[in-house]
Amino acid sequence: AQKVTQAQTEISVVEKEDVTLDCVYETRDTTYYLFWYKQPPSGELVFLIRRNSFDEQNEISGRYSWNFQKSTSSFNFTITASQVVDSAVYFCALSVDTGTASKLTFGTGTRLQVTL
Amino acid sequence: DGGITQSPKYLFRKEGQNVTLSCEQNLNHDAMYWYRQDPGQGLRLIYYSQIVNDFQKGDIAEGYSVSREKKESFPLTVTSAQKNPTAFYLCASSRGRDEKLFFGSGTQLSVL
Repeated sequence: AQKVTQAQTEISVVEKEDVTLDCVYETRDTTYYLFWYKQPPSGELVFLIRRNSFDEQNEISGRYSWNFQKSTSSFNFTITASQVVDSAVYFCALSVDTGTASKLTFGTGTRLQVTL
Repeated sequence: DGGITQSPKYLFRKEGQNVTLSCEQNLNHDAMYWYRQDPGQGLRLIYYSQIVNDFQKGDIAEGYSVSREKKESFPLTVTSAQKNPTAFYLCASSRGRDEKLFFGSGTQLSVL
């Protein structure tokens, strides 16, 4: 069975601080995909990144960066110079191979609070 | 604008009542999903559909039913057999396997 663990339930930082959200996953599959989503107070989940298991290159997108390490089964997400607008719940997810669907297993989420 | 529309935003259910949550997409996606979100528990998959007239149970299907008569629509019925229906329900769609999911804005269901 697949499992995603986000051990940090809630993180509070002051604006401009860097913050890293941890994600550890479990799967027996050799081919899989990892995702990060952001859920602002409005409730709709916003896609941030998708990474396949064969691509261990780190990804940077503006203030966001992701560190994928298969050796430790981790896919951590770092926000550099955080802003108040980054306040949200962030979910890490793992894709299970299920026919033609994209059946995601989600972690329990990390609530990030950025204050002035 | 292309996207997923969920309605209503808020829904109240009386004891013993069935209620139906609507989900419509105009992204021309084949796959659609229903997730349930409880505080502190993340998202759990209820049902998913890979194609019209076909759907599969997810991890917590008991007390729920779905239909997929049209590609654009995937309604979820919360039956009276679901004893703890209070939750935030999210509908999503994707082009196919391992693709990212696009989510609707959700429906908050509460019990009166």
